[in-house]
Amino acid sequence: QVQLQESGPGLVKPSQTLSLTCTVSGGSISSGGYYWSWSRQHPGKGLEWIGYIYFSGSTYYNPSLKSRVTISVDTSKNQFSLKLSSVTAADTAVYYCARDPQGVAHYMDVWGKGTTVTVSS
Amino acid sequence: SYELTQPPSLSVSPGQTASITCSADKLGGKYVSWYQQKPGQSPLLVISEDAKRPSGIPGRFSGSNSGNTATLTISGTQAMDEADYYCQTWDGSTDDVIFGGGTKLTVL
Repeated sequence: QVQLQESGPGLVKPSQTLSLTCTVSGGSISSGGYYWSWSRQHPGKGLEWIGYIYFSGSTYYNPSLKSRVTISVDTSKNQFSLKLSSVTAADTAVYYCARDPQGVAHYMDVWGKGTTVTVSS
Repeated sequence: SYELTQPPSLSVSPGQTASITCSADKLGGKYVSWYQQKPGQSPLLVISEDAKRPSGIPGRFSGSNSGNTATLTISGTQAMDEADYYCQTWDGSTDDVIFGGGTKLTVL
């Protein structure tokens, strides 16, 4: 059974870069068949998709965040990562990684528990 | 940009049927998935690709999508179904994943 676990600093200073990693267990990213995604949820608000990556390195980003987002994959560690630059208080949120089956549509069938990131000096 | 519209809240009595809608232009031409999220938990996929129920999801959850509206139906709603529900689609023309604003389902 595939499990995902987010990790990274819970506190980031304004203007700095937020960096999170998602470790996948119970399955191999390099075996293909899935996209690997990041989403976030601002306090008391709805879900916002950030982007996803395929094991080959192909990426797709939310247009509203594209200029600040980089998603990468490390198949040797079975991890994928999120970097969000020039953060402000508006980036304070719970960040989730998830698995996205490669098919006729994109959706997330396995989610991590989420990690809270606060942007504050 | 493409937007999905959900009612902010819905109340239903135990045992009744809850119908949560998600609307957008020509939504029936896209696949819609639904997620349940309880307080302090991560989202849980309850319906994928309009009407497919993942393993482990009770049969009282069903989905449909036609015209401009997708609907998540919970038959015989139970107290444990009280949660926020989000619809989600993918816009193939832009490769964007889009979430609806969410509906808070109250069972009382």
